[in-house]
Amino acid sequence: DAKTTQPNSMESNEEEPVHLPCNHSTISGTDYIHWYRQLPSQGPEYVIHGLTSNVNNRMASLAIAEDRKSSTLILHRATLRDAAVYYCILLTGNKLVFGAGTILRVKS
Amino acid sequence: DTGVSQDPRHKITKRGQNVTFRCDPISEHNRLYWYRQTLGQGPEFLTYFQNEAQLEKSRLLSDRFSAERPKGSFSTLEIQRTEQGDSAMYLCASSPGTGSFSPNEKLFFGSGTQLSVL
Repeated sequence: DAKTTQPNSMESNEEEPVHLPCNHSTISGTDYIHWYRQLPSQGPEYVIHGLTSNVNNRMASLAIAEDRKSSTLILHRATLRDAAVYYCILLTGNKLVFGAGTILRVKS
Repeated sequence: DTGVSQDPRHKITKRGQNVTFRCDPISEHNRLYWYRQTLGQGPEFLTYFQNEAQLEKSRLLSDRFSAERPKGSFSTLEIQRTEQGDSAMYLCASSPGTGSFSPNEKLFFGSGTQLSVL
């Protein structure tokens, strides 16, 4: 399974944008980039996914580098409820393979 | 649509006992997954079903573990002769996919069953 690399933790102030990076230098041409997050005491939840183009939805934006070797999840205005572990996953085969993710702390 | 439901939420057992967890997926979701998560780690894939067929099992799923989805709806995960190393959160997820896995497919997770083996 292709690997991703994420920082262990990041901190943000409430109401400010957050950029969560992910490196995936071994990505293949058909690998989709998925992001999930896991709030405390809950299972992971889908955030966003993309292949080549940048993507936006109501939760976040996904910026994908032109060479696809990295991507950035953007939360436009972090709230306390966004404090979670964020997982960047390359979808290959028929399952999601999670890494350790990035712990996002949001300060009020 | 009440989401993926898992029961129980918490289970404490003594080493050597058998335990069984239940997962009710979102109605009409064809695929069902089991993951295990230990503290500070991401979820690890255990197994998945397409309807009632168990299509893939991880090497993590030792012969003490067995999963079933008899009618293609709810699923059970049984651990026999539990060990302290089995202590973890057991997560279930479902998706509506059929046939080949779609790159656009999203998994919907339950809140998990926290197992503590004493």
